[in-house]
Amino acid sequence: GQNIDQPTEMTATEGAIVQINCTYQTSGFNGLFWYQQHAGEAPTFLSYNVLDGLEEKGRFSSFLSRSKGYSYLLLKELQMKDSASYLCAVRDRDYKLSFGAGTTVTVRA
Amino acid sequence: NAGVTQTPKFRILKIGQSMTLQCTQDMNHNYMYWYRQDPGMGLKLIYYSVGAGITDKGEVPNGYNVSRSTTEDFPLRLELAAPSQTSVYFCASSMRDWETQYFGPGTRLLVL
Repeated sequence: GQNIDQPTEMTATEGAIVQINCTYQTSGFNGLFWYQQHAGEAPTFLSYNVLDGLEEKGRFSSFLSRSKGYSYLLLKELQMKDSASYLCAVRDRDYKLSFGAGTTVTVRA
Repeated sequence: NAGVTQTPKFRILKIGQSMTLQCTQDMNHNYMYWYRQDPGMGLKLIYYSVGAGITDKGEVPNGYNVSRSTTEDFPLRLELAAPSQTSVYFCASSMRDWETQYFGPGTRLLVL
């Protein structure tokens, strides 16, 4: 099984940077996903890491260290529309996804 | 493409009633999934399907049934609704099991 931990809430100011950490314990690792979920909406795909290192996609970057069981999602130049929940999900050897409880990010003006 | 669609958006059920949550995707994806999301908890996999006619249990299958007669549709059936099934239900699909899953807008279910 999987055990995935991420902070419950984070608050940051518009234009700032926020880093959301995710730690996991898994019996078999086959990739890590980050999803964004606005209140009352479906999760939408943000990023995917399967190898160690940093993946950059515009204002969003995601980092993975498999040996440490650790990932982070970095949100730069925060905008009000970035206020949402961010879900860390780990895929196991059978390609099943297990999700963390999500981190609610609030962006303040 | 509409992507993944779900109906209804919201439903109130009485204890013991039954209902079917509908899920349709128009991306010709082989894999389809049902999750439930409870407040403060991560999404939990209920059932999944790797293609028409093939389904399998996920982490929390008790109280639910599924069928997959076509590639497009993957309905979730609740036979005897219980308050513990109050949740938001998301359907998702992917072309292959190692590819990104795309989610529908969700069905909010309240069992009283």
